[in-house]
Amino acid sequence: KAGVTQTPRYLIKTRGQQVTLSCSPISGHRSVSWYQQTPGQGLQFLFEYFSETQRNKGNFPGRFSGRQFSNSRSEMNVSTLELGDSALYLCASSVYNLGANTEAFFGQGTRLTVV
Amino acid sequence: SQQGEEDPQALSIQEGENATMNCSYKTSINNLQWYRQNSGRGLVHLILIRSNEREKHSGRLRVTLDTSKKSSSLLITASRAADTASYFCATDGIVDSSYKLIFGSGTRLLVRP
Repeated sequence: KAGVTQTPRYLIKTRGQQVTLSCSPISGHRSVSWYQQTPGQGLQFLFEYFSETQRNKGNFPGRFSGRQFSNSRSEMNVSTLELGDSALYLCASSVYNLGANTEAFFGQGTRLTVV
Repeated sequence: SQQGEEDPQALSIQEGENATMNCSYKTSINNLQWYRQNSGRGLVHLILIRSNEREKHSGRLRVTLDTSKKSSSLLITASRAADTASYFCATDGIVDSSYKLIFGSGTRLLVRP
């Protein structure tokens, strides 16, 4: 069974631009959640989508948004990029939504650098 | 901060020795999961322990959970150089009315050949 696939692996963007990251979950998994990892703040939860609906949300500004398609693939969008958005963005897929005692399996991440 | 704490922050041991990492958290949880991360790459799922479980084993891994102390430990027995990585605990529970996976700060493990 294929794992979680994130594209692209690396991205360089300029301040003020917007970016879209993609995540394909494990086949049969309906939950996709997104995380930001930085040296200063560690791993932080962004949001979770389950069956095309945002189910849970972290404490990030509205510039961070996402969506999920009917095939469970998810995209995350960051608008008006700031230097502080430089991070490793990870997505995880689960059979069930968070809170349902489900294992979360992560992709390899997208390394975003904002210059 | 919502993050849990892990200690030690860094651990250096000889191949063949056991490694113990501890994780403390702040909120009520449904489960706690341990992950391994190699050099800023993706997270590899190691084990999930539910809030009503006290101990779980998987190969060379042993995880304990004490919900009264809000703490967990990960023991890696007979360590190998390939175990060198950062290890994170993550709790699944409600924070600010949302379910979230809250990660600890991680333990960097170095296993010397």
